[in-house]
Amino acid sequence: EIVMTQSPVTLSVSPGERATLSCRASQSVSTNLAWYQQKPGQAPRLLIYGASTRATAIPARFSGSASGTEFTLTISSLQSEDFALYYCHQYNTWPLTFGPGTKVDVK
Amino acid sequence: EVQLVESGGGLVKPGGSLRLSCTASGFTFSDYAMNWVRQAPGKGLEWVSSITRGSGYTNYADSVKGRFTISRDNAKNSLFLQMTSLTAEDTAVYYCARLLGSAWFSGYWGLGTLVTVSS
Repeated sequence: EIVMTQSPVTLSVSPGERATLSCRASQSVSTNLAWYQQKPGQAPRLLIYGASTRATAIPARFSGSASGTEFTLTISSLQSEDFALYYCHQYNTWPLTFGPGTKVDVK
Repeated sequence: EVQLVESGGGLVKPGGSLRLSCTASGFTFSDYAMNWVRQAPGKGLEWVSSITRGSGYTNYADSVKGRFTISRDNAKNSLFLQMTSLTAEDTAVYYCARLLGSAWFSGYWGLGTLVTVSS
């Protein structure tokens, strides 16, 4: 099973600042990596797939990148609606696995 | 607009069974593979099961293999998850999800249905 790790567990950021979230896969997943945002009481929302492709209607302030087994989600200028949980997800190999999540909260 | 509506959740005793349903609309259901993903209270996301468009291929997480069965009825735009031998560890919100395209990540999600396993 491919283990996904995310860091930090919690990221405290002020509105308007940049947020950088990291995700690491225990082995290669190529670029078969997605990012999801989840707010309390809501279903996850797809942000990024293919490591760097924004999903439909996702603002340009969200971007994804990859380097080997390391993946990054960057939110260039945090808006109030961006404070949430973020999960990375590999879909390269069965079983499909998710990271434990990074919570982005208000500093 | 893609819509996925889960139903069938509820309170069940340990060892019991439950059948979840997901009704799809806003797209051609038979064109897409589907996933079930669950989330225990206060915990992260866990993939449960997947099924191809024509039901020719299914896959399961080890934690549910042999106890859960995924199926679909394309004529009724419906996805199912039959769950048996339930334990407290199966307590979670269960999400029905549609692939965005052909890769196995979930592009569209339902609101989920809560399954609580407790005596």
